This record gives sequence, structure tokens and C-alpha cells, in this order.
Amino acid sequence: GQQLNQSPQSMFIQEGEDVSMNCTSSSIFNTWLWYKQDPGEGPVLLIALYKAGELTSNGRLTAQFGITRKDSFLNISASIPSDVGIYFCAAGAGSYQLTFGKGTKLSVIP
Amino acid sequence: EAQVTQNPRYLITVTGKKLTVTCSQNMNHEYMSWYRQDPGLGLRQIYYSMNVEVTDKGDVPEGYKVSRKEKRNFPLILESPSPNQTSLYFCASYTGRYNEQFFGPGTRLTVL
Repeated sequence: GQQLNQSPQSMFIQEGEDVSMNCTSSSIFNTWLWYKQDPGEGPVLLIALYKAGELTSNGRLTAQFGITRKDSFLNISASIPSDVGIYFCAAGAGSYQLTFGKGTKLSVIP
Repeated sequence: EAQVTQNPRYLITVTGKKLTVTCSQNMNHEYMSWYRQDPGLGLRQIYYSMNVEVTDKGDVPEGYKVSRKEKRNFPLILESPSPNQTSLYFCASYTGRYNEQFFGPGTRLTVL
């Protein structure tokens, strides 16, 4: 089946630093989504991308839909303690199913 | 407030005792899905539904049943739970047009 390779698996950063994570696949997708999951909660949608090359921001978060439609990245600028959590990429080829990456666990050191 | 609700949030049961996890959404979404989340395996889709009375298998459907009798509800049924179904379960709903899935808070199931 389709797989997403998300990296890094985990990262420890100092408060105030910028963060970058990405997802790649051998398959082409029409949709890329980025979610954040806090402990004990369900994933929350951060950014949705629908067009190859699209660059979208949501506050300090910026994500891009790769031009080949096989990858996406998420950047977080000037990290703060509440950015801690697990970030998932997800990609869709059709209109009703998503494939998820295994997540990037972000820890922020104050 | 737009939301997806799940009940119960926590459940400990024994092997073979039938259980149902309920899921309800108030966004009038056509699509709903069930996922399980396991360490190292990420989120895997169990079943999804495209509308009332229309359901289909996801990636890991074995041992699960679903039904969609009303648009807002999508219960997950484990007829004979086994320990390998111990997991964190999420329900999600979405419009289908944009595939932006909204997740419930999760149900942590332990099967002894």
C-alpha cells in the first residue's frame, strides 16, 4: 500500500528555534495535510494543501505541497513550549481516504 | 460548537465480551472513519463510511464491525475483542470534498 516516510522521528529544540519536518512518498497525492496531536487528545488539523507547489501559512506554521506531489514539509518558526506534541503528515489520493505518516515527536526545551 | 464525540473515553474489558464504541458528529459530514493508533505504527484506518448505509473496509478491518444508520452516528463494534485489539481508537468525520478530517478525542481500549 501507499506509505509516507516522515522525518525526523523526534527532535529536541531550544525555545525560540525554528523547526522543520517533512514527509516523502513514492506515490503521487492530491492532498497533503498536517496535524498536531497533544497527549491524550485527537489529532487537530493545522494546515491543508491542495495544489502542487502551494505554500500556506497558519501563524508561525508554514507548509508546502511539493511540486512533484510526492512530498511536503512543515516549518515552525520561533518555537514555544506549547508547540510540544506529535506532528503528523497525511496525504490523500482520492476524496475519502488518507494515509498517515508515523509522526514527529517535538520537544521544546525552555 | 463543531465537534466529534466518542464514548467511552476509556474502557477496560475482557476477551470475548462484546463492546461498542460510539461516535457522533454535529457537522453534517457525509464521511466518517475509524482509526486505531499504535506505537510505531501510526494511524491505521479500520473502516470508513461515505454516507448512511454505505461502509467499506480500511486497512485493518479484521475483528471489527461498523454501522451507519444515521448520518451523525458511526459506532464501532467489537463482537469478540481480543488482546491484540488493545489500542487507542479515533473516530473522524469529513466532507469528502476536501478530505479535511476532524478527529474525536479518542477511546483508549484495553482488552485483558
